[in-house]
Amino acid sequence: GQSLEQPSEVTAVEGAIVQINCTYQTSGFYGLSWYQQHDGGAPTFLSYNALDGLEETGRFSSFLSRSDSYGYLLLQELQMKDSASYFCAVRDRASGTYKYIFGTGTRLKVLA
Amino acid sequence: EPEVTQTPSHQVTQMGQEVILRCVPISNHLYFYWYRQILGQKVEFLVSFYNNEISEKSEIFDDQFSVERPDGSNFTLKIRSTKLEDSAMYFCAGAAGVSTGELFFGEGSRLTVL
Repeated sequence: GQSLEQPSEVTAVEGAIVQINCTYQTSGFYGLSWYQQHDGGAPTFLSYNALDGLEETGRFSSFLSRSDSYGYLLLQELQMKDSASYFCAVRDRASGTYKYIFGTGTRLKVLA
Repeated sequence: EPEVTQTPSHQVTQMGQEVILRCVPISNHLYFYWYRQILGQKVEFLVSFYNNEISEKSEIFDDQFSVERPDGSNFTLKIRSTKLEDSAMYFCAGAAGVSTGELFFGEGSRLTVL
């Protein structure tokens, strides 16, 4: 089967750096995406890694290690507006077609 | 900026009733998905749609669910006989390709089954 595990909650203060980890198990891995979701809102795309290494997009960076089935999202210079849930999602093709399987989600609380 | 549009934003229905949720995708998208999210839980894959047909269904997507593209552009997700446990947010999402890892989500339709 497929599974993606994330910490349920992370708390940090404004200006700090936080890392949200994601470990996955899937038989048809093609890449790892990250999404942000504010309460009551839709998931919005943040970053994607198809290959090992670090991708940087402004204050957000994402890392992937395919050999370890592991990735993380790094948020720098935290702001109050970063308080949201963050989901990793595997682009999977185990059944022959592409789909995205989402992780359990991490709720980030940013404190003043 | 183009966006995915979903209607209704909120629907309340009685158990056993049929519900139709609608989605207008971004025009140049080729891959389409329906997801659901029970309050406070993760985003769950329901079904994918490509080339005018269902490409994959999850275990959740049983005979009570159906997806159609009645006019070649808009999508509908139909739940034939709703159950209490169908109460959730339903998201439509699309992608222009598969290499960017990016899905564009609509704002969702909240379904409440009483």
